[in-house]
Amino acid sequence: DAGITQSPRYKITETGRQVTLMCHQTWSHSYMFWYRQDLGHGLRLIYYSAAADITDKGEVPDGYVVSRSKTENFPLTLESATRSQTSVYFCASKGLAGEETQYFGPGTRLLVL
Amino acid sequence: RKEVEQDPGPFNVPEGATVAFNCTYSNSASQSFFWYRQDCRKEPKLLMSVYSSGNEDGRFTAQLNRASQYISLLIRDSKLSDSATYLCVVGKAAGNKLTFGGGTRVLVKP
Repeated sequence: DAGITQSPRYKITETGRQVTLMCHQTWSHSYMFWYRQDLGHGLRLIYYSAAADITDKGEVPDGYVVSRSKTENFPLTLESATRSQTSVYFCASKGLAGEETQYFGPGTRLLVL
Repeated sequence: RKEVEQDPGPFNVPEGATVAFNCTYSNSASQSFFWYRQDCRKEPKLLMSVYSSGNEDGRFTAQLNRASQYISLLIRDSKLSDSATYLCVVGKAAGNKLTFGGGTRVLVKP
């Protein structure tokens, strides 16, 4: 049972490059989320999705794009990476609107040079 | 002011001792409350939900004080394996969007 996976686990890129972080879950959960975690800020929501083809902005969406063409996948794209986007990115999912628990992937550590 | 605030610690705790810490939240409309645990360089995992009447899960007890807008976590008989960062998490409704505190680091020492 793979659960929720993220790839790549580590990524180094350069300023201005496009980067896509992948998130895949095997539970058929309706909701998926992308967070970034930085020292001094904790986890902050970037984007979330309630179902396939439904996405909405979180607290810090600028510079990011998401899509959800299939329920199980929720890729996050940095269109033109900046140094301030160096962070640890976590994907999460949960099943129903009333369900409380979000399950997190292992994270992607991104370094933008 | 941050929406969810926690003392970052670290709380240095002798093995077997009791440790307690709080977090405060600013949005009075918050309806769901949780403690998540995060080990170093790992993903957060749900430790327990927090209910109005307070709840206990083994050595862990969580309390909610809506009037003063804070939640607390108490760990009894601390184990070395309890060393982690504890994240206070607050949701507005049905837990769809959660706001995380910065975390309280706990170090349990022999």
